[in-house]
Amino acid sequence: AQSVTQLGSHVSVSEGALVLLRCNYSSSVPPYLFWYVQYPNQGLQLLLKYTSAATLVKGINGFEAEFKKSETSFHLTKPSAHMSDAAEYFCAVRRANFGNEKLTFGTGTRLTIIP
Amino acid sequence: EPEVTQTPSHQVTQMGQEVILRCVPISNHLYFYWYRQILGQKVEFLVSFYNNEISEKSEIFDDQFSVERPDGSNFTLKIRSTKLEDSAMYFCASSHMTNISLVAAMNTEAFFGQGTRLTVV
Repeated sequence: AQSVTQLGSHVSVSEGALVLLRCNYSSSVPPYLFWYVQYPNQGLQLLLKYTSAATLVKGINGFEAEFKKSETSFHLTKPSAHMSDAAEYFCAVRRANFGNEKLTFGTGTRLTIIP
Repeated sequence: EPEVTQTPSHQVTQMGQEVILRCVPISNHLYFYWYRQILGQKVEFLVSFYNNEISEKSEIFDDQFSVERPDGSNFTLKIRSTKLEDSAMYFCASSHMTNISLVAAMNTEAFFGQGTRLTVV
């Protein structure tokens, strides 16, 4: 079984500050990990994914995440927050090598950017 | 850019009524999914569908739920007799294109629609 835990349901950062959204996973088999973003009144959009090719993954809009097996973490970061980053962010996990398998999501983190 | 589209964006229905949520997956995808998110809770898997049959379903997906691909483009979720606790955002997703390599298939991701907010009153 797999699960993800997102620490912090709400995170606020100042514009230009570092964004750090935390995700820890639990998996009995090698995982693939994903970050999705949901802007207001929109669907879930893939930010980035880890599929074992490289532990540091770069995504859209300047976001990146690092897979750390020793810490069972996949935290999402962005060096400098922009007002347009305000959204809800979801971490998700599935088994590696099962492209059609269901995703297991975390509870989400709502990111607020302070002007 | 291809996208998953869902209609309607918001549906209000009375308890006990049947409701059908509609989705048009990306045209060359083979796998289709429904997820839901009750307000304030996590996104939960409901069902996956491949080759005109259910490939996996969660314990949430009981006899009140059904899915169908009535033609070559639509994918629907039917709730036969809605309950108050069915109020949620429902997301459709699709994945796995035809004619891609095995490695690409293993590494593919799901593409989500914008969701249908179902309110049962």
